[in-house]
Amino acid sequence: DVKVTQSSRYLVKRTGEKVFLECVQDMDHENMFWYRQDPGLGLRLIYFSYDVKMKEKGDIPEGYSVSREKKERFSLILESASTNQTSMYLCASSPSFGSTDTQYFGPGTRLTVL
Amino acid sequence: AQKVTQAQTEISVVEKEDVTLDCVYETRDTTYYLFWYKQPPSGELVFLIRRNSFDEQNEISGRYSWNFQKSTSSFNFTITASQVVDSAVYFCALSGTDSWGKLQFGAGTQVVVTP
Repeated sequence: DVKVTQSSRYLVKRTGEKVFLECVQDMDHENMFWYRQDPGLGLRLIYFSYDVKMKEKGDIPEGYSVSREKKERFSLILESASTNQTSMYLCASSPSFGSTDTQYFGPGTRLTVL
Repeated sequence: AQKVTQAQTEISVVEKEDVTLDCVYETRDTTYYLFWYKQPPSGELVFLIRRNSFDEQNEISGRYSWNFQKSTSSFNFTITASQVVDSAVYFCALSGTDSWGKLQFGAGTQVVVTP
């Protein structure tokens, strides 16, 4: 079974703090994704990565950056957290670059920025 | 641009009733894939089905069935004889072959099944 894990289920941070959300997958997948989920908006893609050290912007990259130093790990960074970044963050991975393979999701991190 | 519309925000049913979730999509791609995911209260999205645009056969898996109609750009999902464990948010999603595997999600439909 594919396993995608995220470092925290719940996180509370203060405005202006630097926040790291970590995601690890154990299936040697090439693609990894970060989404945020907000009520009524579904999931929106923040960034994705198709290889180590490669990254592409998604639909809502503003205020975020990412890092992929190892194939199994994909980090989402909020350089200076703001209250409008309070949300559920979901990480996903899929096997192959450029394909329409199924994405497998982690349990999510519910981030609150005060 | 791709778009997925799930017009139903919330559906409430009593256990054993059938429930149908609507999904309408827009894409210019000739080849694309459609997905349904379930998000129970625990939060993790669970993959249910992946269907490519060339396969319009309906599919049944236990109490779940899917109706894909290319002519109306719809990919509807029916839960037969609903159970309390079916209570969740259900997302429809679309990926085109030119989208690098990115998924476009609908807003989701909350299903509430009461005993």
